[in-house]
Amino acid sequence: IQMTQSPSSLSASVGDRVTITCRASQSITNHLNWYQQKPGKAPKLLIYAASSLQSGVPSRFSGSGSGTDFSLTISSLQPEDFATYYCQQSHSTRGFGQGTKVEIQ
Amino acid sequence: EVQLLESGGGLVQPGGSLRLSCVASGFTFSTYAMSWVRQAPGKGLEWVSGISTSGGGTYYADSVKGRFTISRDNSKNTLSLQMSSLRADDTAVYYCVKDYGGSLGWFDPWGQGTLVTVSS
Repeated sequence: IQMTQSPSSLSASVGDRVTITCRASQSITNHLNWYQQKPGKAPKLLIYAASSLQSGVPSRFSGSGSGTDFSLTISSLQPEDFATYYCQQSHSTRGFGQGTKVEIQ
Repeated sequence: EVQLLESGGGLVQPGGSLRLSCVASGFTFSTYAMSWVRQAPGKGLEWVSGISTSGGGTYYADSVKGRFTISRDNSKNTLSLQMSSLRADDTAVYYCVKDYGGSLGWFDPWGQGTLVTVSS
């Protein structure tokens, strides 16, 4: 199963609403997870099963979608949210999207 | 607190072998699947291999199949990755992750990673 994220990078300002999309090459129902990675650090789970918020993750993060099309939305971008985001499917073995880098505008 | 501590990384020549280990604590290791995920310098994440709770099921990315072997020792809370016939494109930080298993397979938490460099 191929996972395609878009865009590969974006520039945004603090307070902006940001949406990252992830498309699977075949239906993965809701077996889609999202991670945040900051430079030099291990990734951190944000959203699991497409729309469930991991404990301790701010509520400005949300996930949606099913089948082949998914999205991660940050409702109001904060300085600590500038990072790279990855989607990951768990429907058939495991696989990641190529990542989306969120940069400061 | 759940912790995963990797070790065993280092510099190895092309064609060589290396064994990575991950010691888990803070959860009942034997009741969770586990995986290895790697990240080449400046690149994205790549799932490498996974193993079921008992170790009876093992899974590999096509890029490492036949060269890497994943295993676990539930009595020692330890996950291992035996890597052989290493190539330059295996150079990466290797992360040990707790895998929620099956189709619920999200990764949480992640270890701090161990760097493997394949170079002559």
